[in-house]
Amino acid sequence: DVKVTQSSRYLVKRTGEKVFLECVQDMDHENMFWYRQDPGLGLRLIYFSYDVKMKEKGDIPEGYSVSREKKERFSLILESASTNQTSMYLCASSSVAGALDTQYFGPGTRLTVL
Amino acid sequence: EDQVTQSPEALRLQEGESSSLNCSYTVSGLRGLFWYRQDPGKGPEFLFTLYSAGEEKEKERLKATLTKKESFLHITAPKPEDSATYLCAVSNTGTASKLTFGTGTRLQVTL
Repeated sequence: DVKVTQSSRYLVKRTGEKVFLECVQDMDHENMFWYRQDPGLGLRLIYFSYDVKMKEKGDIPEGYSVSREKKERFSLILESASTNQTSMYLCASSSVAGALDTQYFGPGTRLTVL
Repeated sequence: EDQVTQSPEALRLQEGESSSLNCSYTVSGLRGLFWYRQDPGKGPEFLFTLYSAGEEKEKERLKATLTKKESFLHITAPKPEDSATYLCAVSNTGTASKLTFGTGTRLQVTL
């Protein structure tokens, strides 16, 4: 079974803090994704990566950056957290072979910025 | 721009009362259509991928179908444990691997 894990289920941070969210997948998937999910807005893509050290902006990259130093790990960084970044953050991975485009999700991190 | 619209937003069924959820999509070139189940406070769980019109897939009480404009998720004789939000997403031949999601249908099945 595909397993995607996220470093924290719940996180509370203060405005202006630098926040790191980590995601690890164990299926040797090439693609990894970061989304945020807000009521009424659905899942919105923040950043994605097709390969190690490669990254591309999604639909809402402002205020975020990412890092992918190893194939299995994809980190989302909030450089200076703001209250409007309070949300559920979801990481996903997919393969370029097999079940094409099918993304597998982690359990999510509920981030609250005070 | 790809668009996915799900209806209804919320659906309440009694146990055993079959129904269907709708996912309408607009995409320049459909590469795949995906259904996920999401329980409150958790990540989406993959259910089905459909790649071409006419394709159908089944899993327990769920059956997904695909036409050129929409997909249906049929729920036969639902049980309370089927209560969840069901998400639909599409991938585009021009932007491979990226998914565009709908906002989901929140299903509640009561005894």
